[in-house]
Amino acid sequence: EVQLVESGGGLVQPGGSLRLSCAASGFTFSIYSMNWVRQAPGKGLEWLSYISSGSNTIYYADSVKGRFTISRDNAKNSLYLQMSSLRAEDTAVYYCAGGRGGTTFEYWGQGTLVTVSS
Amino acid sequence: EIVMTQSPATLSVSPGERATLSCRASQSVSSNLAWYQQKPGQAPRLLISGASTRATGIPARFSGSGAGTEFTLSISSLQSEDFAVYYCQQHNNWPLTFGGGTKVEIK
Repeated sequence: EVQLVESGGGLVQPGGSLRLSCAASGFTFSIYSMNWVRQAPGKGLEWLSYISSGSNTIYYADSVKGRFTISRDNAKNSLYLQMSSLRAEDTAVYYCAGGRGGTTFEYWGQGTLVTVSS
Repeated sequence: EIVMTQSPATLSVSPGERATLSCRASQSVSSNLAWYQQKPGQAPRLLISGASTRATGIPARFSGSGAGTEFTLSISSLQSEDFAVYYCQQHNNWPLTFGGGTKVEIK
């Protein structure tokens, strides 16, 4: 069974940093491209970042470029999102997501809530 | 950035009826369009990719059509478990973008 389990969310002050993790199991993580997608409370879905299987190709949404960094450790079957200079508008549930196509999201985690507030 | 626009925002449908959801792209995305279903408190679920290819385990009552800038998700006979929010997403260009969603509610 495919599982993606996010962790690392919580309450952080504006301007602060947080590192999210996503532990993968049940599939060959090392050959899949992965993504982070977020959803603000009561709002729609927003794609944030993509990383190829070998970390050679990385993309970011303009809203997080320069502040967020995606990375992965295939030996640990893990995906990460380092977030810095956090703003109130970054408050959301953050999902890791991936699939065979790389740009569609067949697999999703349960999400981790990040709240940016003083 | 390609802007995805979904309509209507809310669709009221009786169980057993057909539902038709629309998604429009601000420029052509070829057939690179996916649909997702999301229920409250849950992660989204992939229904369709490539405009018309159902994902694994998705019932045949869900069908997708369209190409270029105009796309449709049809649910042939709504079941109770189909009442949810549906999102389209283009997977043709970076950045990947989602539509704002259509809520399918019980009439």
